[in-house]
Amino acid sequence: RKEVEQDPGPFNVPEGATVAFNCTYSNSASQSFFWYRQDCRKEPKLLMSVYSSGNEDGRFTAQLNRASQYISLLIRDSKLSDSATYLCVVKSGSASKIIFGSGTRLSIRP
Amino acid sequence: DVKVTQSSRYLVKRTGEKVFLECVQDMDHENMFWYRQDPGLGLRLIYFSYDVKMKEKGDIPEGYSVSREKKERFSLILESASTNQTSMYLCASSFEVPGANVLTFGAGSRLTVL
Repeated sequence: RKEVEQDPGPFNVPEGATVAFNCTYSNSASQSFFWYRQDCRKEPKLLMSVYSSGNEDGRFTAQLNRASQYISLLIRDSKLSDSATYLCVVKSGSASKIIFGSGTRLSIRP
Repeated sequence: DVKVTQSSRYLVKRTGEKVFLECVQDMDHENMFWYRQDPGLGLRLIYFSYDVKMKEKGDIPEGYSVSREKKERFSLILESASTNQTSMYLCASSFEVPGANVLTFGAGSRLTVL
């Protein structure tokens, strides 16, 4: 079983739709959680950290469920520019224990 | 803005050649990382360095070595390139902050080994 698992997608949704991704992790001692965004042929960039109480940044909402060991990302009112791959990232212990999911590909159509 | 610069965006090498991938960061970060990214496998950690001359093996260190002689520079070395090392290589850096360690990535080096 992978340490961090994501549905690879692709998710193909119309502009303006709401879309949600989940990510599960296997290490219950995991401490920090992030969502990164990666555009085609570009490097990953931090989208947002995920806090225990849940957090929002504009159209993006991240949630953490420690009991079930999953994190989620909700995108409201999706834009064409949201088309990208979204990477779930989990940190456990030292800086070297940063595990990336394989990513969920999102495509927004006009 | 933190900047992580990788020296080569695209390289084509032959089997058996020695390959150097250079990475430089300009924000005095303690931690530096080398990952490779392959379709369906995500990012996998090759090596990690938390200080000058200090290194730690990641998940897939076989066939690779690293060098960190200066804080800002972290080099990945393929002693004898093989076709299964064809991949996208990503360098990253971060501060050592408990509970955080947000990574900043370079633009990547796409290596093809023929």
